[in-house]
Order: sequence, then C-alpha cells, then structure tokens
Amino acid sequence: DTGVSQDPRHKITKRGQNVTFRCDPISEHNRLYWYRQTLGQGPEFLTYFQNEAQLEKSRLLSDRFSAERPKGSFSTLEIQRTEQGDSAMYLCASSSPLAGPGELFFGEGSRLTVL
Amino acid sequence: QKEVEQDPGPLSVPEGAIVSLNCTYSNSAFQYFMWYRQYSRKGPELLMYTYSSGNKEDGRFTAQVDKSSKYISLFIRDSQPSDSATYLCAMRTAGTASKLTFGTGTRLQVTL
Repeated sequence: DTGVSQDPRHKITKRGQNVTFRCDPISEHNRLYWYRQTLGQGPEFLTYFQNEAQLEKSRLLSDRFSAERPKGSFSTLEIQRTEQGDSAMYLCASSSPLAGPGELFFGEGSRLTVL
Repeated sequence: QKEVEQDPGPLSVPEGAIVSLNCTYSNSAFQYFMWYRQYSRKGPELLMYTYSSGNKEDGRFTAQVDKSSKYISLFIRDSQPSDSATYLCAMRTAGTASKLTFGTGTRLQVTL
C-alpha cells in the first residue's frame, strides 16, 4: 500500500488553459475527497465521492471545475479556463467506511501555478 | 466570520517545552474534532480525533475539547525538533462522511 497518489505534483500553466489532476486513492477506500489549500490557509473542501457517485460539492466548485470518479477507483479534477486565483495546492484524500470520523488519508497534493 | 478560528503563529519554542495549540469554532453542530499535522510540501496527516468534551491522550499528545465554550486544544509535551510543522484543527458534523472544516493552521517551530 503506497498511500494516496497524486499526479502531477506541480503544474505551471498560462491563464485560460485547461488542467487536469489525477488522484489514485488507497485501494480499499471507497470514499474520495478533493480539497484546495492556498498559502497560509487550511484545506477547503471541494467535493466528495462515495464509490463513483459524487455526493457533495462545495459552492467553491464553480462551473469551470469538474471532478469525476468513473469506476470508483481513481479520480480526476479538471479546471477549465484557469484563472490566477486558481493557483493553489489541490489535495486528494481517501477514507475507508471502517475509518474513524475525520480519518482521511491525504496525498502530497498537486500544486497549480497559473501565470 | 470563519466557522473555525486558529492563530496562524508562527510559534517558536525550545526543545522540551510544552506546546499549546488552540482553535475556537462557531458552529454548534460540529461533533467531531481532529488535529492534523502538515509538514512542508506534504499532505496533512491525522494525529488525533475526539468527539466528546474532555481530554484524550496519545503519547506526548493530548487533545482537549470544551463544547460549552466551543474551544479545542492540542498539547504537546516534551516537544522535539521533529514536531516542527503546521498543526491544523478540523471539525465535522455528525452524519456519514461529511466534509471536514479546517482552521488556518498554526506553524510550530521547535528549536534546539
């Protein structure tokens, strides 16, 4: 078990371009979360999947953001028409239904820089 | 006003000191309280969680919750340089797998 894996670790893009991040959760975990963290702030919830179903989305997730988990395994987070305000660390986390409340396992994050 | 308030620090203490980290919250629906540790350029990792008022101890770490005051604390005894990190409080309401609401994090530096 290698933990939660995220790719790429760092992405630099120009404003207006589309970017996609991938998350591979711990294999037996059916719950998957995306969070966004800006410098000096705590992580902010974006969205949550249980298996392939997207059960909750934050108001932070504008129309330019879309997340999928097609087969209940890996997940992708796409940002269209990136803006400088999208620059942040995008964290993926997973958890098991047997886990304690709030027991999320985070990946190392994908850092986005929008120029 | 944010739902969860946490002093961002930085907090600098000498090795061996007792560290006190705190958060306040405004949402009385929060039922579960967590402390995560985040090293630089890494994802957060869970240190402790609790769901009742009172103390919970795990090695050098003690988590304290006072629901009546909407105040939680993390104490670190005999602090070590390896404890240098950002400490994030997090909370959630009851219900299945609801989202976590994090504080801003307190950056701790333990010096030799």
